[in-house]
Amino acid sequence: SQQGEEDPQALSIQEGENATMNCSYKTSINNLQWYRQNSGRGLVHLILIRSNEREKHSGRLRVTLDTSKKSSSLLITASRAADTASYFCATVQEYGNKLVFGAGTILRVKS
Amino acid sequence: EAGVVQSPRYKIIEKKQPVAFWCNPISGHNTLYWYRQNLGQGPELLIRYENEEAVDDSQLPKDRFSAERLKGVDSTLKIQPAELGDSAVYLCASLPYGGAYNEQFFGPGTRLTVL
Repeated sequence: SQQGEEDPQALSIQEGENATMNCSYKTSINNLQWYRQNSGRGLVHLILIRSNEREKHSGRLRVTLDTSKKSSSLLITASRAADTASYFCATVQEYGNKLVFGAGTILRVKS
Repeated sequence: EAGVVQSPRYKIIEKKQPVAFWCNPISGHNTLYWYRQNLGQGPELLIRYENEEAVDDSQLPKDRFSAERLKGVDSTLKIQPAELGDSAVYLCASLPYGGAYNEQFFGPGTRLTVL
């Protein structure tokens, strides 16, 4: 069974707008990761945030983590048509060594 | 550096037929994962290998699924016989030694359609 719940399930925005996706999880974690999946392809790692971190940036990506609420958000700023993809959060449990994925958010960026 | 290689990319079979998927991880990566991704869902772990040892196969449906990684490098996942509900994308991922808490490197997947 999947641990994460993602919100929204689908998001459609105009190019240049910001996109925010949220993820909630159930158990204590070592870290939380975000992956992108383009149609018909494998997953590409975007960013990893550890349980003792609250915010992390990578280019146009900003990730926050609130362990008290067991939630994370991914912000993509100044979106581009090429950002159109499915985005998944995945957790690594505190004493685990496997990724547990959420159901994903489908992002469509219209040009 | 070459990425994770999977073949075939697509496979269409009739139910009750056998099917096999192959994965070659990134060179030097000793940990290998097989995931199944149903339509509209995130990947779910089927089996994890450390070298040639299957260390977590708790979610592998053992009545019809089998996997092997004989020399601790490439791996094969087999389904026999396939059922309609096995239609999904089968993903392989790998990690270097000691990277259990880090990002995983995924292959492009094999899309299986069972008719």
